[in-house]
Amino acid sequence: EAQVTQNPRYLITVTGKKLTVTCSQNMNHEYMSWYRQDPGLGLRQIYYSMNVEVTDKGDVPEGYKVSRKEKRNFPLILESPSPNQTSLYFCASSFGRSYNEQFFGPGTRLTVL
Amino acid sequence: GENVEQHPSTLSVQEGDSAVIKCTYSDSASNYFPWYKQELGKRPQLIIDIRSNVGEKKDQRIAVTLNKTAKHFSLHITETQPEDSAVYFCAALPSDQAGTALIFGKGTTLSVSS
Repeated sequence: EAQVTQNPRYLITVTGKKLTVTCSQNMNHEYMSWYRQDPGLGLRQIYYSMNVEVTDKGDVPEGYKVSRKEKRNFPLILESPSPNQTSLYFCASSFGRSYNEQFFGPGTRLTVL
Repeated sequence: GENVEQHPSTLSVQEGDSAVIKCTYSDSASNYFPWYKQELGKRPQLIIDIRSNVGEKKDQRIAVTLNKTAKHFSLHITETQPEDSAVYFCAALPSDQAGTALIFGKGTTLSVSS
C-alpha cells in the first residue's frame, strides 16, 4: 500500500531533551517536506527536500533540523525542544514540487513541557 | 513571498445547501491551486486542484474557480452532506521560489448540520 508513515504518533517530552520524528514513504517520491499545524495558523512548512542530500528551509525552520540520506526517509530533529514547539507535525511527499498531489503522513502530536 | 488569505474561518450550513470558501493570493506568478480536506483527527487529503491556465474545474459536487486577474480562487460544494464537515485548506504554489512548496491558507472549518 502506498503510504507515508510517521513515528511516533504521540510524544510528550520535556524542554531540552533531543528527539527525532521519523518519516518514511514507499512511493519513490523525490520531494518531501515537514509542516507544523497550529490552531488558527494553518499548515506552515518547516523544511523541505527536493532529493537525497538536498534540503532547505521553509517558513518556520528555527529550532529544527532535517536530513535526507535516503530517498524514502526524511527525519525531523529537535535538538533542544521548547514549549513553543508543541504542535501537530505532518510529513508529506510528492513526485515533484510542481503540480503534484502531496501525500501526508498521519501526523505526530508533540507536547513539550 | 506568497501570502494566501482564506475566508471565512468557519462556515455552518444546512444539509443540502451550497458552501463557498474563498482564497486570495498575492503572487501573480503562482500557478497551481489545490484544495485539501482534513477530517477531524486525520491527515489533509487533496480533493481538487486547478492550474493557472484553467478557469474552472468540477468533480461531482465540488468545483473550483480561478480568477487570475483578481488573484482569487474559490471552492464550491453543492448539495452539502454531513460527511463534508471538515477543515478545508486552500493553497498556492509559487512558481518563482525554487523548492518552496505550497503556501497554505489558515483553513475553513465547515459544519454541515442535518
